[in-house]
Amino acid sequence: EPEVTQTPSHQVTQMGQEVILRCVPISNHLYFYWYRQILGQKVEFLVSFYNNEISEKSEIFDDQFSVERPDGSNFTLKIRSTKLEDSAMYFCASRSTEGYEQYFGPGTRLTVT
Amino acid sequence: AQSVTQPDIHITVSEGASLELRCNYSYGATPYLFWYVQSPGQGLQLLLKYFSGDTLVQGIKGFEAEFKRSQSSFNLRKPSVHWSDAAEYFCAVRPKAAGNKLTFGGGTRVLVKP
Repeated sequence: EPEVTQTPSHQVTQMGQEVILRCVPISNHLYFYWYRQILGQKVEFLVSFYNNEISEKSEIFDDQFSVERPDGSNFTLKIRSTKLEDSAMYFCASRSTEGYEQYFGPGTRLTVT
Repeated sequence: AQSVTQPDIHITVSEGASLELRCNYSYGATPYLFWYVQSPGQGLQLLLKYFSGDTLVQGIKGFEAEFKRSQSSFNLRKPSVHWSDAAEYFCAVRPKAAGNKLTFGGGTRVLVKP
């Protein structure tokens, strides 16, 4: 069964450093998403991406964040200058054009020290 | 404001007993409704979804959910719980009219006693 994959599973970085979180969505999906879950809090939407552009973003998704689909398979989330409060589990999701359900990857735990 | 509420933070249930997890939403119109499960160290797995039609929907792992428009609820049920059902369960909604994003409830952690 096709699945969304994410790398790395855990990333530790120092405050102020740039990080890139990587995702490989399900191959025939065209809608891509990033969500995050700060420990003990709700899963929160960050951004959706379709047709090589951002279709929707939340207030959290400020200028420090960017997304990219650098090739036909990867979808990345970049945080330019990490802050302590960026520590969270980051989930990538994708969906097809036929359905409304989103399929999630296993997540990347980002720890900013 | 649009919101999703899961009133129970923790539920403990004995193996073999039934389980019901509550989800209430506050939206202008009936949204698309989903339940996801997150096992320890795992991602979010889709259990089931409701878009329209029959208000009782079946999902994977023996779960079902019932949509009740009058109560703005979408409760998840399982008749007989297995130890492997110990996990965190999230209700999520997406408006039909516009937008893509899922809005999640706070989650319910289920513990299964032997």
